[in-house]
Amino acid sequence: NAGVMQNPRHLVRRRGQEARLRCSPMKGHSHVYWYRQLPEEGLKFMVYLQKENIIDESGMPKERFSAEFPKEGPSILRIQQVVRGDSAAYFCASSPPFGTERTDTQYFGPGTRLTVL
Amino acid sequence: LAKTTQPISMDSYEGQEVNITCSHNNIATNDYITWYQQFPSQGPRFIIQGYKTKVTNEVASLFIPADRKSSTLSLPRVSLSDTAVYYCLVGDLIYNQGGKLIFGQGTELSVKP
Repeated sequence: NAGVMQNPRHLVRRRGQEARLRCSPMKGHSHVYWYRQLPEEGLKFMVYLQKENIIDESGMPKERFSAEFPKEGPSILRIQQVVRGDSAAYFCASSPPFGTERTDTQYFGPGTRLTVL
Repeated sequence: LAKTTQPISMDSYEGQEVNITCSHNNIATNDYITWYQQFPSQGPRFIIQGYKTKVTNEVASLFIPADRKSSTLSLPRVSLSDTAVYYCLVGDLIYNQGGKLIFGQGTELSVKP
């Protein structure tokens, strides 16, 4: 059973460009979460999605950031017009449907390291 | 979600037992205690979870006293590869909207030869 997959693992963008980060959850998992880890800081929650629905986006910056989890395909975290402060590691996690394991048991991917020049 | 307090860093030597204590004075009745491990340049990994008394798996043990206001993660006979940041989380996401995990600063464990 493959784990959570993220791509690309490393992404370099210039200021003003767009960054697209992809996450494929574990097989059978219907909940996806995105977290950001700035250099020398802990992980911060950004957004929680289920298929075709955003459940909680309380951690997402109000501008330039968006996320989706379509019916088919991976979850996408999109950052428009990137700035240097967006440089960080972005982690995706997934958890199984309610009624199976507890949703606080989340399985994390290897992360995408975004560098903005 | 209950706030947690844990040491910022700890040092140990190979072969020793390491105990990392986490304080969570405001833990609620339905809250569970969960520990994650994060190696450099990797995503966090679930280690162990418990509600009360003692839980043991192939990786670690978790000790929770009767008042549940603290918990101790115990790593037996650590090796260099156990060098990582260890996060203690407290909450009950089944009754929480959002499903988000709240990570603190964690404890940076350094194992030396």
